[in-house]
Parts: sequence; C-alpha cells; structure tokens
Amino acid sequence: GAGVSQSPSNKVTEKGKDVELRCDPISGHTALYWYRQSLGQGLEFLIYFQGNSAPDKSGLPSDRFSAERTGGSVSTLTIQRTQQEDSAVYLCASTWMESSGYGYTFGSGTRLTVV
Amino acid sequence: DAKTTQPNSMESNEEEPVHLPCNHSTISGTDYIHWYRQLPSQGPEYVIHGLTSNVNNRMASLAIAEDRKSSTLILHRATLRDAAVYYCILVGNSGGSNYKLTFGKGTLLTVNP
Repeated sequence: GAGVSQSPSNKVTEKGKDVELRCDPISGHTALYWYRQSLGQGLEFLIYFQGNSAPDKSGLPSDRFSAERTGGSVSTLTIQRTQQEDSAVYLCASTWMESSGYGYTFGSGTRLTVV
Repeated sequence: DAKTTQPNSMESNEEEPVHLPCNHSTISGTDYIHWYRQLPSQGPEYVIHGLTSNVNNRMASLAIAEDRKSSTLILHRATLRDAAVYYCILVGNSGGSNYKLTFGKGTLLTVNP
C-alpha cells in the first residue's frame, strides 16, 4: 500500500483481556517503530525493529507488552491482561534507511480503550 | 539524546508566512533535523528534514543555521489546515542509540481566519 496501515482503528476491551494490534509498514521499509500517545500527551517510544537485528525493547512499559515482526514486514503489538492505564492511541511508523536520513511515515493509529 | 527546544504555541493569520523556530544547541555532526506535524486525532505527518543545507519541498522550507544549533520551519502561506502541533526532532545515531524519534511537546500552531 501507499502508507502505513494499522488495524483495528479502534478497539474497546475489558480490563484483563489480551489485545493484538497490527501494523503493515510501507513495502521495503526496513525499520519499524511502535509509539503510544495517551490523551493530551506526547508520543512515547515503545519498541523498534530493524531488519534481522534484535529489537530495541527499551520503551516497553511492562512485561505485559510484547511485539514481533514476522518476515521483516508486518508487526503485531500484544498487550496481555490489559489495564485502564493502557488506554491510548498506539502508533506505528516505518522508514527505509534511517542512516540516510529518510523521513518516517506514521500510520493513523489504533485507539485502545480499556473499560 | 540530543534535545530540542520549541515555543509552546504560536499564532498566525491565514495566508501569512509562519516561521516556527527550534533550538538544538547540542546537535551532533551526524544528526538530521526532522520536522513532523500532528493534526487533531491523526498520527504525526512528516513535513521536511535536512542535515546542513536549507531544504524546500511542496509543504514547507527548512532553514538551518550555519552552526546547526537552530533551525526554522517556514510555511510560506498558512492555511487553516496547517493548524497542528509541530515537532522538531533530531534523528541520528549519537552515542550508539538507534534512529528513534524522540518527541518533545512541540509547538501548537493556531491559524486565524
């Protein structure tokens, strides 16, 4: 596709349930990032994938959060045993080659509401 | 991480130029200067980026100081659709970190009709 695609666009879940958020990056983009944005707040880095390298998980807030990227393309962010403080917009971004200074393309995000 | 400083908010009138400043006094030689904007209820949108020379594209111009310690995003004719939060971000591999984008609070641009 022409842009970064995220699904679902909206997700309402009950506290304690697991959720999976999906990101389809732009074809050929080797780097993929997950961020989250709580209401009225800035963007918080979660995790970063680059090619076949080990992901940088330094931003994941707890061990309830995990992410994988299969075949260097699609990525899934999983939140287990969701809590109300997990409610936020989860954003995915991809770029081709960071070292060459290419811009990053963001998806429209998944708005997660935990009730 | 190298940090940037931006005004919290700015106001402009429609069809007038807007100059959004950004200070980045601790920039390293390999850091790129990126600008993104975020419209309400949308993900951030890439605007422009540069390294040393001034840059122009269909959305905006980026003026980079000779010492690279500051830059200015220029919207030549503001429209109501340009009302957004504008983020100035340094992107590079300083200190072994990856090229992740570290977002500050940005500048909230209001455009008056």
